[in-house]
Amino acid sequence: GENVEQHPSTLSVQEGDSAVIKCTYSDSASNYFPWYKQELGKGPQLIIDIRSNVGEKKDQRIAVTLNKTAKHFSLHITETQPEDSAVYFCAASIPRGATNKLIFGTGTLLAVQP
Amino acid sequence: DGGITQSPKYLFRKEGQNVTLSCEQNLNHDAMYWYRQDPGQGLRLIYYSQIVNDFQKGDIAEGYSVSREKKESFPLTVTSAQKNPTAFYLCASSIPYLGSGNTIYFGEGSWLTVV
Repeated sequence: GENVEQHPSTLSVQEGDSAVIKCTYSDSASNYFPWYKQELGKGPQLIIDIRSNVGEKKDQRIAVTLNKTAKHFSLHITETQPEDSAVYFCAASIPRGATNKLIFGTGTLLAVQP
Repeated sequence: DGGITQSPKYLFRKEGQNVTLSCEQNLNHDAMYWYRQDPGQGLRLIYYSQIVNDFQKGDIAEGYSVSREKKESFPLTVTSAQKNPTAFYLCASSIPYLGSGNTIYFGEGSWLTVV
């Protein structure tokens, strides 16, 4: 079936610590994995993504890793800041003929304590 | 600025009424989407459209309808047949990307409350 599991559902860290959010997908054909940050009352914003031919990608304090064999991918945020507090969603894109279907995880509420 | 504009931001509807949520994009994207978001849940796909005058049902299309008469516009109507319409609705768009996944960009959302 089509499913993306995301853990933890809530995460509280101290400012300056690292935060890790993990997702597992079920469809081995999944080939694209974006991460979104959603602040309260706003739409999700793409923060980083990775394609299936890459194992790791980094953008300043944010990195994503992909393990295709285990079918899981993770978001790593280093040196967390209070403005990193938000809900984070992972997603996996599954090819469906000429289109792709994006399956979302259930979200992680990250709270960075100053 | 390029982006996706949703309106209204907040909407109250009486039971039995239809309501239409507007979504306009000036990104020149071919594909547009409507998602529903409930507290503690992920985003669920209602409808999507890959090109003008064509659209497909998503996972939870019952009680909703859409149209795609123009490339930049994809309005969503929440009908009285939708039994639990109170939710946060998100419009999104993307350039169809064959073979390697779509990068989807979201609007700021519309809150619909049934009173």
